[in-house]
Amino acid sequence: ILNVEQSPQSLHVQEGDSTNFTCSFPSSNFYALHWYRWETAKSPEALFVMTLNGDEKKKGRISATLNTKEGYSYLYIKGSQPEDSATYLCASIYNQGGKLIFGQGTELSVKP
Amino acid sequence: NAGVTQTPKFQVLKTGQSMTLQCAQDMNHEYMSWYRQDPGMGLRLIHYSVGAGITDQGEVPNGYNVSRSTTEDFPLRLLSAAPSQTSVYFCASRTGVAGGASRRKDGTGELFFGEGSRLTVL
Repeated sequence: ILNVEQSPQSLHVQEGDSTNFTCSFPSSNFYALHWYRWETAKSPEALFVMTLNGDEKKKGRISATLNTKEGYSYLYIKGSQPEDSATYLCASIYNQGGKLIFGQGTELSVKP
Repeated sequence: NAGVTQTPKFQVLKTGQSMTLQCAQDMNHEYMSWYRQDPGMGLRLIHYSVGAGITDQGEVPNGYNVSRSTTEDFPLRLLSAAPSQTSVYFCASRTGVAGGASRRKDGTGELFFGEGSRLTVL
């Protein structure tokens, strides 16, 4: 079973702070990594799909990097806003068979 | 835009009862999957399917059955519900698996989730 780990488990920041979280995954048989944003009482929504070592993706104030050789990805949020409060999930696909295994998530709380 | 539709949204069962959670998607996605969400444990994969007639186990398959007779539907069956199956269940689908019928090359499409089904087993 693929083991995907996220840290920290939770994070409390002030509005305007920049923050980052980590997703670790086995590097062997790596195929793709997904990041999802999950707001309370809603369903998860995709932020990024990343496949190549050194990939960097950006959407507004949120960006992500990928290191497939060492098996980690970072998600960055610049200038956090209260509306960024959510759980951020990463998921790894470990071969072309395509099943996605999620980490436990990082719960972000941004205080005004 | 229906996307992924799950029913029911809420269900209360007694221990030993059976039920089926329904999932349908109208995006012609080959890949469909069921997850359960429990506090502090993120989303854990129960079963998944890469096409009609093909299913496979995920991380926590015990106590659940699935079938995939059509591209659109992927029901999850609880044959004899137990209190440990109290959870929120999410169905999710995504675009073509590499080499699948849709002929997408990359097999990396993002997941689209249903709204979730909250199940309580007493």
